[in-house]
Amino acid sequence: GNSVTQMEGPVTLSEEAFLTINCTYTATGYPSLFWYVQYPGEGLQLLLKATKADDKGSNKGFEATYRKETTSFHLEKGSVQVSDSAVYFCALRPRRGSGGSNYKLTFGKGTLLTVNP
Amino acid sequence: ETGVTQTPRHLVMGMTNKKSLKCEQHLGHNAMYWYKQSAKKPLELMFVYNFKEQTENNSVPSRFSPECPNSSHLFLHLHTLQPEDSALYLCASSQADGYQPQHFGDGTRLSIL
Repeated sequence: GNSVTQMEGPVTLSEEAFLTINCTYTATGYPSLFWYVQYPGEGLQLLLKATKADDKGSNKGFEATYRKETTSFHLEKGSVQVSDSAVYFCALRPRRGSGGSNYKLTFGKGTLLTVNP
Repeated sequence: ETGVTQTPRHLVMGMTNKKSLKCEQHLGHNAMYWYKQSAKKPLELMFVYNFKEQTENNSVPSRFSPECPNSSHLFLHLHTLQPEDSALYLCASSQADGYQPQHFGDGTRLSIL
């Protein structure tokens, strides 16, 4: 079956530090990959996505590149801010025809990021 | 304005009460989902509706009863809940086909007394 493994948190950084949250996946074929962010008291928001190998998703200074050879989709940001403090979820959605339901998301367990001033 | 609206945002109920959670999406999607998010546990998919038809029930207890009257509305009817059912319940929607992501509401924080 499909699975997503992301680094265990919590991650604590100082403002302007470099961020990497690792995410690797197991799936049949070429899934679409997503990063979601959940701020305190809110639902999940789509942060960025990539739908094929070598695609780079980017938003709000965050980036992630779809690496087929390493089945990875690591999230990076060059300079984090206090407002980036949140829980980050990596997720995949199977490609249609790869077997099973193509509309279901498989999530990682989430990584709590705390950025201190 | 969020494309997926959930009401109420907070709900406190006793174990013998009956209540309903509501979700409405304004994105023209045709698939809707209920998730349960408990502290220190992974996000749990509960139900999936695809073009108003329930296509997935992940072994959810019968005290949770979903209803999808049309592609824009989704309900979760609650009755005789247990303390361990206290959690954040998230609704999401997406296109049922293709590569598009799910869009989430802000959730209903449910507390069972």
